[in-house]
Amino acid sequence: AQSVTQPDIHITVSEGASLELRCNYSYGATPYLFWYVQSPGQGLQLLLKYFSGDTLVQGIKGFEAEFKRSQSSFNLRKPSVHWSDAAEYFCAVVLNTGFQKLVFGTGTRLLVSP
Amino acid sequence: EAGVAQSPRYKIIEKRQSVAFWCNPISGHATLYWYQQILGQGPKLLIQFQNNGVVDDSQLPKDRFSAERLKGVDSTLKIQPAKLEDSAVYLCASTPTRGGHDEQFFGPGTRLTVL
Repeated sequence: AQSVTQPDIHITVSEGASLELRCNYSYGATPYLFWYVQSPGQGLQLLLKYFSGDTLVQGIKGFEAEFKRSQSSFNLRKPSVHWSDAAEYFCAVVLNTGFQKLVFGTGTRLLVSP
Repeated sequence: EAGVAQSPRYKIIEKRQSVAFWCNPISGHATLYWYQQILGQGPKLLIQFQNNGVVDDSQLPKDRFSAERLKGVDSTLKIQPAKLEDSAVYLCASTPTRGGHDEQFFGPGTRLTVL
């Protein structure tokens, strides 16, 4: 079945340290991939997306993600984490079921320690 | 530009009661989505509207959930009767076109607690 897996339920990173959040997908064709962030009490906000072309995608707030077809992965990275980055991060894929449904992973909660 | 508006922000009801949520998408956005986000999970699509027509409601529990978007603008999601397992955040989102790969703009959500 087509799905998105985020293997880490939560991650703690020290402020200023680098970050990598993992996302694996199961999908037959080239997927449309997204990373969204959800801060407490707020709606989801798009960080970045990949459709085709350059496999390294730049997003907002200093985030980037790399699409690796051979590993079926789309990991999110940031070189230096800020305390304001503490939030829930969701990887998502569009399924071409005729009306292109967006399917989310279970999320990774990022905690930032001082 | 105003974002997606939802109300109420919080609702507490007892099981078997009914509840309704309201969503006003970004002006001009043709496609509107309702998602259910249970604690510890990612959002799950309940229903998708293209203007005032339903595109996908395959995951909507139709025995108790209903939704409408009569004039192709704002939308209402109703639960009747509510069950304990309906406790979740209900998110509304919109996109300007019908493409699922467009960015979806999300509202702040309505947190429902069923006692």
